[in-house]
Amino acid sequence: RKEVEQDPGPFNVPEGATVAFNCTYSNSASQSFFWYRQDCRKEPKLLMSVYSSGNEDGRFTAQLNRASQYISLLIRDSKLSDSATYLCVVNGGLDSNYQLIWGAGTKLIIKP
Amino acid sequence: DGGITQSPKYLFRKEGQNVTLSCEQNLNHDAMYWYRQDPGQGLRLIYYSQIVNDFQKGDIAEGYSVSREKKESFPLTVTSAQKNPTAFYLCASSIGGGGRYSNQPQHFGDGTRLSIL
Repeated sequence: RKEVEQDPGPFNVPEGATVAFNCTYSNSASQSFFWYRQDCRKEPKLLMSVYSSGNEDGRFTAQLNRASQYISLLIRDSKLSDSATYLCVVNGGLDSNYQLIWGAGTKLIIKP
Repeated sequence: DGGITQSPKYLFRKEGQNVTLSCEQNLNHDAMYWYRQDPGQGLRLIYYSQIVNDFQKGDIAEGYSVSREKKESFPLTVTSAQKNPTAFYLCASSIGGGGRYSNQPQHFGDGTRLSIL
């Protein structure tokens, strides 16, 4: 089982719709979680950290479910500019010397 | 502006050649990282450094070498022992690299694309 798993997609979504995707992680001791966005042939950019109580930043909402070991990202009122690959990142904890473990990403395509 | 600068943007390697990728940051970050990304895959950690003059191997260190003589700089050498070097190489930095800094995100340079001639 991969340490961090994401549905690769692509998710094809009409502009203005709401889309959500999940990411599962295997290490129950993981303590910090992030969502990054990566545009085609560019570097990843931090979208948001994920806090235990859940957090929101404009149209984006991140949730953490420790019991089921997954994090989620919800995008409301999607824009054409939201088209990108979304990377789930989990801190591996002491077992991995606290290094980040990266998912392979979920590709999102917003259609006009 | 503060940031991470990688150079060159594109690099071609001949058979048997070592090449060095540059990474410089002016964010005053202690920790720096090198990742490799292949199409359709997640980032894989090559080497990381949590402090000057110290670095550790990541998951795929074979065929690569690094140095950390200055806080600002963390160059990566792709040696001739790396038989499949074609990839997108990303350098990142963070405030700290572990322990109580484990909740700090990493920030990236804009990458170097390496290909074999």
